[in-house]
Amino acid sequence: EAQVTQNPRYLITVTGKKLTVTCSQNMNHEYMSWYRQDPGLGLRQIYYSMNVEVTDKGDVPEGYKVSRKEKRNFPLILESPSPNQTSLYFCASSTSGTAVGKEDTQYFGPGTRLTVL
Amino acid sequence: QKEVEQNSGPLSVPEGAIASLNCTYSDRVSQSFFWYRQYSGKSPELIMSIYSNGDKEDGRFTAQLNKASQYVSLLIRDSQPSDSATYLCAVRTNNLFFGTGTRLTVIP
Repeated sequence: EAQVTQNPRYLITVTGKKLTVTCSQNMNHEYMSWYRQDPGLGLRQIYYSMNVEVTDKGDVPEGYKVSRKEKRNFPLILESPSPNQTSLYFCASSTSGTAVGKEDTQYFGPGTRLTVL
Repeated sequence: QKEVEQNSGPLSVPEGAIASLNCTYSDRVSQSFFWYRQYSGKSPELIMSIYSNGDKEDGRFTAQLNKASQYVSLLIRDSQPSDSATYLCAVRTNNLFFGTGTRLTVIP
């Protein structure tokens, strides 16, 4: 089954304790992206990756890191989480970040609800 | 100015009515336009994509695009309670930008 998976789905942690949220897709997609969603603010992009070893900042990259060493995986790293990073996080992927048409349809993972105390 | 603007609602319609959701975007070179539906606490799911001016119909859903007015809309005919959700408009230019969403409630 074609899908985007995220782990963990729920996480409660404390300020300053490093954490990683994993994202994996099995569709051989080139483009992957991380979003956070907060009430009233919609989906805001954190980082995106056009392909392996190619990453770029989105709208709200502060406090986050990413890496793209393999095509299928795009982990999100919070080196020193703070309470303002409490949010619902989504990973997404698409065939290409520049193509137009069906190939640029973005598929979302199930989400990770993060609480930082 | 935001890349993509939506009326946040909430929008309430009676069951069986037509729900009309609207979206405007700022970048004239935008090429791809999407409507996603998101139930509370769930991930967005694609409902419609549209790439050229005019209407595109899929079942009870119709997407309308007017590039000259930089406007894209979604019509839901014969609205059902199961259509109650937040609808996100997304526009691709050099990246994919989302609106903040319109919350729709269909009243039985």
